[in-house]
This record gives sequence, C-alpha cells and structure tokens, in this order.
Amino acid sequence: AQKVTQAQTEISVVEKEDVTLDCVYETRDTTYYLFWYKQPPSGELVFLIRRNSFDEQNEISGRYSWNFQKSTSSFNFTITASQVVDSAVYFCALSGNNAGNMLTFGGGTRLMVKP
Amino acid sequence: ETGVTQTPRHLVMGMTNKKSLKCEQHLGHNAMYWYKQSAKKPLELMFVYNFKEQTENNSVPSRFSPECPNSSHLFLHLHTLQPEDSALYLCASSHRDTNEKLFFGSGTQLSVL
Repeated sequence: AQKVTQAQTEISVVEKEDVTLDCVYETRDTTYYLFWYKQPPSGELVFLIRRNSFDEQNEISGRYSWNFQKSTSSFNFTITASQVVDSAVYFCALSGNNAGNMLTFGGGTRLMVKP
Repeated sequence: ETGVTQTPRHLVMGMTNKKSLKCEQHLGHNAMYWYKQSAKKPLELMFVYNFKEQTENNSVPSRFSPECPNSSHLFLHLHTLQPEDSALYLCASSHRDTNEKLFFGSGTQLSVL
C-alpha cells in the first residue's frame, strides 16, 4: 500500500517569510511519481510539479522550490518570500504501479499568509 | 481557468432526491475522474474513466452512479444519499489514466439534508 503524510495541517506565516511544507511518503514501488497541487479558495486543485523517482535533482521555479530526498522518503516544498496570494491548501500526492498508477493524496497543509 | 468545468457549483438535496453532477473538459484528454473531498478525510478517488470505459471503481456505494458518454463529459448521478455524503465533489481529467498530472474543476459543494 502507498501512503502520503503531510504532518502540518495548518501553517501561518507573515508575508515575506519563507515557509516549507513537509511531505513524507511510503511506497513499495521502485518507480513512482510525486506531485504537489495547490487548492486556492476557489476550489480547483492546480498542478504545481511532478517528479519521477529516478530524478532526485532539486527544482526551483520562481519563488517555489522542491527538495526530493529518496533516503528519507520526503518531497518537501518551500515557498520563498511568501505572499498573501500563496494562501491555499497544498497537497502532496504519489502514484505508482502498486496502486494501479492512481494518485494517493496526503491530507493537505493549509497555508495562511498574513499581510 | 483549467479547462475543466463542473456544474452546479453548489447543490442542496434531500435524502430522497435524485440529482446529477456534470463535468466537461475541452482539453482533448482521454481520462476523467471523480474525487470526493470531505472535511476530515484526504481526497478520495471514486471513479476513473479512460476512453469512456470505467477502469476504476474505488468501492463506491451504488447510490453514486457515474456515466461517461464521451471523452469530454462525465456525470455523477446521485440518489438516496446520506448526510455523510455531503462533501466537495471534484472532477479531473488527464491525457491518460496513469501517472499523469490532473487538471481539476472547481468542484460541486454538495449538502445532503
């Protein structure tokens, strides 16, 4: 079985602070994919990133960066210089052959960025 | 705008009612999904359709009945629901049904009285 744990249910920061959202996963697959999605108040989940399990290079996209560490089964997400518009629920997810390639989501982390 | 449209945005229904949720995508995707998002549970996959064929039914009660007439449209027919079925129902689509990034609609917030 595969599992995704986002231990932080809610985080509150002040604008311009850096914030890291944690994601820990469990899977028996050797090949798998990790995702992050953002769910703003409007409701739809917005895709942010997908990483293959063989690609452990960290990725940076503007103020967003992701740290993939296979040794600790973690795929953490950092927002640098947070802004009010970053306020949303963020979901980490995993897919792999073991679960029919379907996405397993974590419980989500609600991020509140205050002005 | 993600290209996936869900209607209605909000729905209130009694336990004896019959209603349908609609999802439409114009992204040229071949796979469509229904997810349930409850207040106290992670996102739960309900159904998956790939090229109009159902490929996944995640042990969903029969009071939820999906229909996929073509690759662009997906319905969720509801009947004799329970109050615990109140949730946000999200539709998504992707190119294929394996390991692909999903494009989500804004969801239908359902309240069962």
